[in-house]
Amino acid sequence: DAKTTQPNSMESNEEEPVHLPCNHSTISGTDYIHWYRQLPSQGPEYVIHGLTSNVNNRMASLAIAEDRKSSTLILHRATLRDAAVYYCILSTPWAKAAGNKLTFGGGTRVLVKP
Amino acid sequence: GAGVSQSPSNKVTEKGKDVELRCDPISGHTALYWYRQRLGQGLEFLIYFQGNSAPDKSGLPSDRFSAERTGESVSTLTIQRTQQEDSAVYLCASSPGPENNEQFFGPGTRLTVL
Repeated sequence: DAKTTQPNSMESNEEEPVHLPCNHSTISGTDYIHWYRQLPSQGPEYVIHGLTSNVNNRMASLAIAEDRKSSTLILHRATLRDAAVYYCILSTPWAKAAGNKLTFGGGTRVLVKP
Repeated sequence: GAGVSQSPSNKVTEKGKDVELRCDPISGHTALYWYRQRLGQGLEFLIYFQGNSAPDKSGLPSDRFSAERTGESVSTLTIQRTQQEDSAVYLCASSPGPENNEQFFGPGTRLTVL
């Protein structure tokens, strides 16, 4: 699986935007970019995913570089509840024989200050 | 609706004993995944089920680990002759099927091997 690189931690103030970078220079043409987050003592939670175009949903936005070698997860207004570890993950398209297993790295621990 | 549930939430066992961990996926989800998370680390993929077959068992760390799934419902992960290095949180996730990139995670089972 292609590898991703994220900063270990980031701090943000409440109600300010948070930009979480992810480098994936060895991404293949068919890899999807996924973001999950894990709140303390909970299982991971899906945030967003994309392939080539920028994506928006109710939780966040995903900005994907034109060469796809990096991406940025954007939390528009951080709340205390957004304090979590955020994982950037690449996965190959779903195939019945392989599933869509996710390979988690260390992630970025986001601290939100009131 | 009901999410993914796992039981027990906590399990303490003695080295050498066998343990069974249970996962109830979201109803109708055909894909099911098991992951392991050691303290302070990211998730490691263990096994993937599509229906009741397991096309990808590549993440199982040794032959002491096995898993089965009944139809498209409950799955059981069994660890035989537990070792201290098996101590971790075991997480289960399910997904609707081949076209869906989002995995829904359960709360996990925290296994402690003394």
